Amino acid sequence: DVKVTQSSRYLVKRTGEKVFLECVQDMDHENMFWYRQDPGLGLRLIYFSYDVKMKEKGDIPEGYSVSREKKERFSLILESASTNQTSMYLCASSLAGYGTEAFFGQGTRLTVV
Amino acid sequence: GQQVMQIPQYQHVQEGEDFTTYCNSSTTLSNIQWYKQRPGGHPVFLIQLVKSGEVKKQKRLTFQFGEAKKNSSLHITATQTTDVGTYFCAGPWNSGGSNYKLTFGKGTLLTVNP
Repeated sequence: DVKVTQSSRYLVKRTGEKVFLECVQDMDHENMFWYRQDPGLGLRLIYFSYDVKMKEKGDIPEGYSVSREKKERFSLILESASTNQTSMYLCASSLAGYGTEAFFGQGTRLTVV
Repeated sequence: GQQVMQIPQYQHVQEGEDFTTYCNSSTTLSNIQWYKQRPGGHPVFLIQLVKSGEVKKQKRLTFQFGEAKKNSSLHITATQTTDVGTYFCAGPWNSGGSNYKLTFGKGTLLTVNP
């Protein structure tokens, strides 16, 4: 079974903190994605990566950065957390190419206080 | 950029009633995917449609891809309480070269009254 593992299920951080969300996949997938999910807004793409050290902005990249130093690991970084970044964060991975099935992690519920 | 619009946002049905959710893209899609997210869970892939006019069935679920490959639908016959969840459509968006990002609709939340 494909496994996408996110480092934390729940996280509480203070405003202004630097926050790292980690995601690891075990299926040698080229593509990795970070989404945030908010009620009524669906899944919005923050960043995606199609190869090691390669990244592209999604629809809402402001306030976030990413790092992909190894193929299996994709990190989302909140440079200075703000309360409007309180959300559910979902990591996903897929094989290269268009329209390949995405496998999701269990999600990290981040609360910024 | 590409937009994938999905309606309705919410649907409440009595158990046994049918349910349909619709997905429309602003651009022609090479393919479309459908996902289901149970309450408290994460999205799980259901199916992918590739061909114009394609229809696929999974038990009580019927998926269609429009002739112009810009719209799709998911129809559930005789809903059950196990169908509860949010259904998302998703389409690949070419961000340049051979790189595709997956863009999701806002989803339809289905609740079923037993």
